Amino acid sequence: DTAVSQTPKYLVTQMGNDKSIKCEQNLGHDTMYWYKQDSKKFLKIMFSYNNKELIINETVPNRFSPKSPDKAHLNLHINSLELGDSAVYFCASSPKGGSEKLFFGSGTQLSVL
Amino acid sequence: QQQVKQSPQSLIVQKGGIPIINCAYENTAFDYFPWYQQFPGKGPALLIAIRPDVSEKKEGRFTISFNKSAKQFSLHIMDSQPGDSATYFCAASSQSNYQLIWGAGTKLIIKP
Repeated sequence: DTAVSQTPKYLVTQMGNDKSIKCEQNLGHDTMYWYKQDSKKFLKIMFSYNNKELIINETVPNRFSPKSPDKAHLNLHINSLELGDSAVYFCASSPKGGSEKLFFGSGTQLSVL
Repeated sequence: QQQVKQSPQSLIVQKGGIPIINCAYENTAFDYFPWYQQFPGKGPALLIAIRPDVSEKKEGRFTISFNKSAKQFSLHIMDSQPGDSATYFCAASSQSNYQLIWGAGTKLIIKP
């Protein structure tokens, strides 16, 4: 019974391709996030949704588009992948509209060749 | 002013030692200071958190020390074990802006 699950765990693709990462949480949380972790382990927030409404949209190339069909799901679609997009992408959720106690998924390792 | 500065970047300690990881912040509006632990191949997980109304909080072998006047907080791990080897992140947020501001992380290795 994984609390925050994301798929796929590994994604290897060519430059220029379009790919999606899916995330689902079964915790009943209102808020979901996408984070990017680079090779130096630095965590950068990309997006946050609260009850399907976008509330945080950091400076991210518009090739990245989040979609939240319902409050339990937050998917990330990436168009025209570039080498610099290679990173680990984490989905997370929290019980309130704030940041207290984030629950993270296990991550998606994206490698762009 | 939104930064949280974490040090050291990496730390190697013998089993049983007490690793200490430090974080400093500038924004006096911050009122929530969590520490997250991340094992390889996993997402970060909340380890322990503190609010500025107390100067210390203990949970098991993990202790946060908080110095409000210095705008610093630190994580101490008592009787460290090889299983504590992980990357540790400090973070901070305020009730007016719930976005967590993350430190850069500390890779901790506990040698047997």
